[in-house]
Amino acid sequence: GQNIDQPTEMTATEGAIVQINCTYQTSGFNGLFWYQQHAGEAPTFLSYNVLDGLEEKGRFSSFLSRSKGYSYLLLKELQMKDSASYLCAVARSGGSYIPTFGRGTSLIVHP
Amino acid sequence: IAGITQAPTSQILAAGRRMTLRCTQDMRHNAMYWYRQDLGLGLRLIHYSNTAGTTGKGEVPDGYSVSRANTDDFPLTLASAVPSQTSVYFCASSDSTFPSGVNEQFFGPGTRLTVL
Repeated sequence: GQNIDQPTEMTATEGAIVQINCTYQTSGFNGLFWYQQHAGEAPTFLSYNVLDGLEEKGRFSSFLSRSKGYSYLLLKELQMKDSASYLCAVARSGGSYIPTFGRGTSLIVHP
Repeated sequence: IAGITQAPTSQILAAGRRMTLRCTQDMRHNAMYWYRQDLGLGLRLIHYSNTAGTTGKGEVPDGYSVSRANTDDFPLTLASAVPSQTSVYFCASSDSTFPSGVNEQFFGPGTRLTVL
């Protein structure tokens, strides 16, 4: 099985930097996904990490440490439109490889 | 059709009724999935299909059934709806369930289902 933990809610100021953490325990590991979900909408893909290190994509970066079972999503130069839920999902090796989602972190960006 | 669509957008259903949620994708993805999303519980996998003609059970399959007659369509059926099935249902697709590149999931807009 898998345990995936994320903070329930975070707040930050427009223009600032915020780091959303995700820790996981899994019997096998085959990649970690981050998705963004605005209220009332579908999740959309942000990033995928399968090797240790930092993946940068514009204002968003994602980091992975497999030995620590840890990832974070870093959002820079926050904008009001970044207010959303951020979902961490872990794919387990073996079986179906289908990612299991954490409960998500609701990020509120205020002026 | 562009991407993945779901129907209906929302539905209010009496307990005990049968209901089929429809999902269609035009990306020729092999894999398709059904999730339910409940407040505080996140996305939970109901059923999935690796390819046309095959299906598998997810984390919360009881009370639901699926079929995959072709690549594009993946309907979800509630044989006899109960109030605990009140939720937002998301269909998703990906190129494959097996590790081959990033293989991200593309989600439909969701169906909001209320069972009274």
